[in-house]
Amino acid sequence: GAVVSQHPSRVICKSGTSVKIECRSLDFQATTMFWYRQFPKKSLMLMATSNEGSKATYEQGVEKDKFLINHASLTLSTLTVTSAHPEDSSFYICSARGPESYEQYFGPGTRLTVT
Amino acid sequence: TQLLEQSPQFLSIQEGENLTVYCNSSSVFSSLQWYRQEPGEGPVLLVTVVTGGEVKKLKRLTFQFGDARKDSSLHITAAQPGDTGLYLCAGLSGNTGKLIFGQGTTLQVKP
Repeated sequence: GAVVSQHPSRVICKSGTSVKIECRSLDFQATTMFWYRQFPKKSLMLMATSNEGSKATYEQGVEKDKFLINHASLTLSTLTVTSAHPEDSSFYICSARGPESYEQYFGPGTRLTVT
Repeated sequence: TQLLEQSPQFLSIQEGENLTVYCNSSSVFSSLQWYRQEPGEGPVLLVTVVTGGEVKKLKRLTFQFGDARKDSSLHITAAQPGDTGLYLCAGLSGNTGKLIFGQGTTLQVKP
């Protein structure tokens, strides 16, 4: 199957700082990437959809100024959590989908802890 | 709003038992995907079902897509401790292109 990587896998930051998470499709071109948030033992919650070269579409209730998404190339999307607060601590997962595929392949996730 | 109801949400069984996980919706999906996720990792795609009535087998796992493409099931035969994990069903919305996730089923198989 297709491979998606995320970096970093774990990050601890102080309240008020910003953190950038990278999502890369390693062996296919991802025209669409998705960012999810997951709470312990819960399902995935879609935060936003990003298409290469265009602005991300955010789900209702997700602050676009707080969670900045950039999808500058067909293999890379970034999520920046700005002015992080402890309540932003969570497991963030990206997924990627190719141009003529309906299947999404997920990255390994990034554990963010804000102190 | 499309919803996918997954049940049961928690399941603890002994090694060797069989189990079935269900995903139901009032909406039609273009396709439905099943994932397995282990703690601290991303979901791993197990199977995609596309055609109504489709049945796919993956070793001891059997996946079925309902005739109307509104529901799906995952049956595990003779569960093993290695099957322990979070199982997620996700339907692809033909309108939005987004995956609609079920609530997940946390499976624990005890030796």
